[in-house]
Amino acid sequence: QSVLTQPPSVSAAPGQKVTISCSGSSSNIGNNYVSWYQQLPGTAPKLLIYDNNKRPSGIPDRFSGSKSGTSATLGITGLQTGDEADYYCGTWDSSLSAGLFGGGTKLTVL
Amino acid sequence: QVQLQESGPGLVKPSETLSLTCTVSGYSISSGYYWGWIRQPPGKGLEWIGSIYHSGSTYYNPSLKSRVTISVDTSKNQFSLKLSSVTAADTAVYYCARNYDILTGLNWGQGTLVTVSS
Repeated sequence: QSVLTQPPSVSAAPGQKVTISCSGSSSNIGNNYVSWYQQLPGTAPKLLIYDNNKRPSGIPDRFSGSKSGTSATLGITGLQTGDEADYYCGTWDSSLSAGLFGGGTKLTVL
Repeated sequence: QVQLQESGPGLVKPSETLSLTCTVSGYSISSGYYWGWIRQPPGKGLEWIGSIYHSGSTYYNPSLKSRVTISVDTSKNQFSLKLSSVTAADTAVYYCARNYDILTGLNWGQGTLVTVSS
């Protein structure tokens, strides 16, 4: 059971928008930056969002991040079949003094 | 373009020490950033193992701290992971990464599967 809670799966049609939530507490998301990763099947994770809402160079603006209180959200617009992947949130936990990842969300583009 | 490549034995016996090396190309470790290890058991999610700053300061997952050592060899532009007293629960794909901070992986290696079995 992860300290950070993500829905196991989400789905949407091509071209649509989807959001993935990540719920935590004041010791982690509430007081630390959140990052998001995309893991395509059989590959290493790839950083999509860091510091809650910043995109690394090369990440299209279809991907966005936000944070409110103890929850964070990843948004993906203009869904493509190539977006089918597992998505993970990550943050630091100040009480545990440990890095945390959510359990992951599998995105299906129908 | 920074690249990272994990190397080490793919099979380790229970109670022995798992040792992996990450070789970095395209960037000098001594120039900055944090350098980290993350693992992923087959079919499961990501687990942060720990990180080392280019200056040598280390940060470990408390759940693994008693068994983990991360070190840097700037002369070889490599950093390493040692995990002692392994059990089957340590079977996972191990990734090394160049980190933006203690946790956030900017660039990742392709990962290497380590199986703990006799």
